Amino acid sequence: GAVVSQHPSWVICKSGTSVKIECRSLDFQATTMFWYRQFPKQSLMLMATSNEGSKATYEQGVEKDKFLINHASLTLSTLTVTSAHPEDSSFYICSARPGGRNTEAFFGQGTRLTVV
Amino acid sequence: DAKTTQPTSMDCAEGRAANLPCNHSTISGNEYVYWYRQIHSQGPQYIIHGLKNNETNEMASLIITEDRKSSTLILPHATLRDTAVYYCIVRVNNYGQNFVFGPGTRLSVLP
Repeated sequence: GAVVSQHPSWVICKSGTSVKIECRSLDFQATTMFWYRQFPKQSLMLMATSNEGSKATYEQGVEKDKFLINHASLTLSTLTVTSAHPEDSSFYICSARPGGRNTEAFFGQGTRLTVV
Repeated sequence: DAKTTQPTSMDCAEGRAANLPCNHSTISGNEYVYWYRQIHSQGPQYIIHGLKNNETNEMASLIITEDRKSSTLILPHATLRDTAVYYCIVRVNNYGQNFVFGPGTRLSVLP
């Protein structure tokens, strides 16, 4: 099946710094990608919808100035956590779906962010 | 998207079939049933999806009741590596729409 790759798989950063997470669709183009966040023992929660060539759509309660999303090409979306704080520590997952009818979405392997 | 209800957890003996139920009594005619699973500290993995007919692939079978109000995911011969959280998601087949994850069923395959 199609492959979605995230990088890095894990990252540790200091409070106040920024961290960029990349999400790539390796063998298909994706005009839309989704970013989720997952806290321990909880389910995935949608953060934002990333649209190629336009602004991302953020879910209620997600600060767009803190979680910067750039979808500059049909195969790459990036999520930048700015001025990270310990409460931003979480598992971040992206998702993309090939175009066409009746297709499933594919998820990246996730990025474990720890802010110390 | 229609709401789904799944048991919180289930156990299954290794080598036996694992049958994971999902209730979606408010499903509408154009909504598909998708199943994903998430192994610890990994992203969700697609398993199978269907509209109204039963489906089978190399991973699992999906049985959808005639009234489409419930479905069952069947792993025919569960292995220890099938231990994961299984999510049943009902949604229209809209490219631009995300997947909404509930709490899922935590399946433990026991030796």
